[in-house]
Amino acid sequence: AQKVTQAQTEISVVEKEDVTLDCVYETRDTTYYLFWYKQPPSGELVFLIRRNSFDEQNEISGRYSWNFQKSTSSFNFTITASQVVDSAVYFCALSEAGDDKIIFGKGTRLHILP
Amino acid sequence: EAQVTQNPRYLITVTGKKLTVTCSQNMNHEYMSWYRQDPGLGLRQIYYSMNVEVTDKGDVPEGYKVSRKEKRNFPLILESPSPNQTSLYFCASSFPTSRNTGELFFGEGSRLTVL
Repeated sequence: AQKVTQAQTEISVVEKEDVTLDCVYETRDTTYYLFWYKQPPSGELVFLIRRNSFDEQNEISGRYSWNFQKSTSSFNFTITASQVVDSAVYFCALSEAGDDKIIFGKGTRLHILP
Repeated sequence: EAQVTQNPRYLITVTGKKLTVTCSQNMNHEYMSWYRQDPGLGLRQIYYSMNVEVTDKGDVPEGYKVSRKEKRNFPLILESPSPNQTSLYFCASSFPTSRNTGELFFGEGSRLTVL
């Protein structure tokens, strides 16, 4: 069965520090999709990125980067030079191609301190 | 504007009083889903639907019903709400993950309190 583990419940860093949010997944499928979503204090859920299992290239988008490693079943998210506006709950999610469920991790609450 | 609309946004009700939370999307998405968000438990999938008249249970379907009579609507029905259904509910839609970005578009959430 598919599973997503975000072991870090809560993280606090000082503004401008780099921070990495961990995501470890379990799946028996060879084709699957990984996602990250952001939930700012206002409560809405915002899509950040989707990754296919056959594309292990790392992705960078501005201050955000994602490290996908199939060997360790991890899809970690790094924020470089963090800002107060990055404070949010971040969810990692998994969807198997053979199953239409989308499973979320429990989330990591990130506090960026000024 | 592309959006997922949920109603009501806030509701306080009493045990046993049937209620429906509506969800409507204007993006012609096939896939729609309901999640509940609880502290420490993250987002858990209640039901999902791949298309009209096709629904499936998620991880926590007990106490809920859904229907998908039209592509744009996916109401969540609590026939006899209980206090353990007090939660924040999100509706979401997308194209199926195998065909498109798989980005889930979420509604703004419905905070339900059952007394």
